[in-house]
Amino acid sequence: NAGVTQTPKFQVLKTGQSMTLQCAQDMNHEYMSWYRQDPGMGLRLIHYSVGAGITDQGEVPNGYNVSRSTTEDFPLRLLSAAPSQTSVYFCASSPIQSQAYGYTFGSGTRLTVV
Amino acid sequence: GDSVTQMEGPVTLSEEAFLTINCTYTATGYPSLFWYVQYPGEGLQLLLKATKADDKGSNKGFEATYRKETTSFHLEKGSVQVSDSAVYFCALNRDDKIIFGKGTRLHILP
Repeated sequence: NAGVTQTPKFQVLKTGQSMTLQCAQDMNHEYMSWYRQDPGMGLRLIHYSVGAGITDQGEVPNGYNVSRSTTEDFPLRLLSAAPSQTSVYFCASSPIQSQAYGYTFGSGTRLTVV
Repeated sequence: GDSVTQMEGPVTLSEEAFLTINCTYTATGYPSLFWYVQYPGEGLQLLLKATKADDKGSNKGFEATYRKETTSFHLEKGSVQVSDSAVYFCALNRDDKIIFGKGTRLHILP
């Protein structure tokens, strides 16, 4: 049982480049989300999805796009990377009733934009 | 809006010391409350949770009690080990979103 798998683990981008951070879960969880973790800021919600075909914005959505074509996958796209997007990105999932279960997190993607 | 405030770190203790990490929250209604732990280079792991007032969550020797009257969910452990060194996050759940505190880094000295 793989849980939540994030790829790549590390990435360096140049300003203006685009890329997609991948997230996949094999637990049939309806809910998936993306967070970024910055020093002294804790975790901040970027985008989330309550099921295939449904996405919504979190606290810090600007500069990021998401889509949810399947239950398993929830990729995060950076269309034009900026140094302010240097961060560690975590994907998380849960059954829709997350109050009872909490989240399962991936191991993260460390992104550096130069 | 809803928020979580936890004590700033780093917290440094000797092995076998008693641990308390304070957490208070602001929320309407009755959210579920969580503690997550993040070991170096890893993602967050759910440590314990409580879903209603006066519930006590416990796991791996850690405990936290949901106190509605003081809007608190303090994390405690009676005797810490070096392996407990990590970052601890307090969090609440509202409308299927989890709001995290900023985290408290814990160092345990042998």
